[in-house]
Amino acid sequence: NAGVTQTPKFQVLKTGQSMTLQCAQDMNHEYMSWYRQDPGMGLRLIHYSVGAGITDQGEVPNGYNVSRSTTEDFPLRLLSAAPSQTSVYFCASSIGTGTGANVLTFGAGSRLTVL
Amino acid sequence: TQLLEQSPQFLSIQEGENLTVYCNSSSVFSSLQWYRQEPGEGPVLLVTVVTGGEVKKLKRLTFQFGDARKDSSLHITAAQPGDTGLYLCAGGAGTSYGKLTFGQGTILTVHP
Repeated sequence: NAGVTQTPKFQVLKTGQSMTLQCAQDMNHEYMSWYRQDPGMGLRLIHYSVGAGITDQGEVPNGYNVSRSTTEDFPLRLLSAAPSQTSVYFCASSIGTGTGANVLTFGAGSRLTVL
Repeated sequence: TQLLEQSPQFLSIQEGENLTVYCNSSSVFSSLQWYRQEPGEGPVLLVTVVTGGEVKKLKRLTFQFGDARKDSSLHITAAQPGDTGLYLCAGGAGTSYGKLTFGQGTILTVHP
């Protein structure tokens, strides 16, 4: 059981470069999301998706793009990296029961440094 | 925007001591979850509480959801070094699916 798989685990970028963080889940979960984790700020929601073809913005969406072409994959794109995007990024998925009590299954995280 | 204030941010105690972590909000949540995170890993769910006044126990950990569903607490009895980690509370509202609001987290260090 792979669960939620994130790649790469570590990445260093220069300001202005673009890259994609990959996220795949094998649990047939409807809901997927991306969070960033910064010291003293918990996890903040970047973008989320309630199913293939449907995405929406979270709390801190600026500078990030997402798409959801399949149930399994939910990549996060940084179009022009900035030092403020240095963070640890977590992808998560859950069954979409719509009760507000869904359990999130997280990936192991991707640590991004922008120089 | 719903906010969750978690306190304390840091907690350093000796093995055998008791501790309580608090999670407070001015907003009502339909559920409150507690996660634990180890270095280099993603958060892992400890418990979900959904009913106001609900108390759940997980071995030495006791979780409580406030009567008004605006606050929660995590109490650890006789802490052990294996309890060391980052504890996060997260609130869900209405039909939010997995769109949770997280607290800032509490870094717990239990010294042998």
